[in-house]
Amino acid sequence: GAVVSQHPSWVICKSGTSVKIECRSLDFQATTMFWYRQFPKQSLMLMATSNEGSKATYEQGVEKDKFLINHASLTLSTLTVTSAHPEDSSFYICSAGYRDRGPGYTFGSGTRLTVV
Amino acid sequence: AQSVTQLGSHVSVSEGALVLLRCNYSSSVPPYLFWYVQYPNQGLQLLLKYTTGATLVKGINGFEAEFKKSETSFHLTKPSAHMSDAAEYFCAAHFGNEKLTFGTGTRLTIIP
Repeated sequence: GAVVSQHPSWVICKSGTSVKIECRSLDFQATTMFWYRQFPKQSLMLMATSNEGSKATYEQGVEKDKFLINHASLTLSTLTVTSAHPEDSSFYICSAGYRDRGPGYTFGSGTRLTVV
Repeated sequence: AQSVTQLGSHVSVSEGALVLLRCNYSSSVPPYLFWYVQYPNQGLQLLLKYTTGATLVKGINGFEAEFKKSETSFHLTKPSAHMSDAAEYFCAAHFGNEKLTFGTGTRLTIIP
C-alpha cells in the first residue's frame, strides 16, 4: 500500500517552455504532498509542502511563481516549472504523507528534467 | 536546532562484511526516525522506521536499526553485504512539524 506514481520519469524541454510533473497516490488519499529537488550526489532539498485544497507553502528561497504547485484533489498533485531555464535542470521527487502506526512518507520515482 | 547527521558520506565494505551506516539526530524530544535507500535515478524506498515501542527495528532486505535515546542515534546495520546493496542511503527524522528532515546521505559501495 501507499504507492505514489510520478510522471514523467524524464523530460527534455527547450529553454523558456513550461513542464508539468504529476504525482498520483494510487491506493490512499494524500492529504499532504511534498516536492523535493535533488542535485547530483546531494541530499533532497524540500521545495514546498502542499495540502489538498489550499495553497502550497514554499521553503525560503524557492520561487513560487516559477515552481507552481497544485493539489486540487486527494490523489493528485502537480508541479509546473514555468519558463524553464538550464539551471532548473535537476531531479524532482514528490512524496506523500500518510498515517500508519505513526507518520509515514512514500516517494515517487522521480523526474529527471533537462532544459536545453 | 533540530537536525540529522550522517557520519561518512562514503562507506565501502567487502561483499559479505558487516554494513554499518551511522545516523545521529539533534532534538530535545526523540523524533520518529527513518532510513531510506535510493538507487540511481530513482525515488526513495523505505527500509525501516522507528516510531514507538521496540527500539530494534527490522526492515527490508536484511537491514535493521537500533534507536538509542542516550546516544541520540539510529544506526543502520546489515550482517552481510550484497552487491545489490550498493546505493545511496538517507536517514531522516520527523520532528513533529509534518515534514521530514534529511541527513546528507551515505553512498555505500560494495567491494567484490
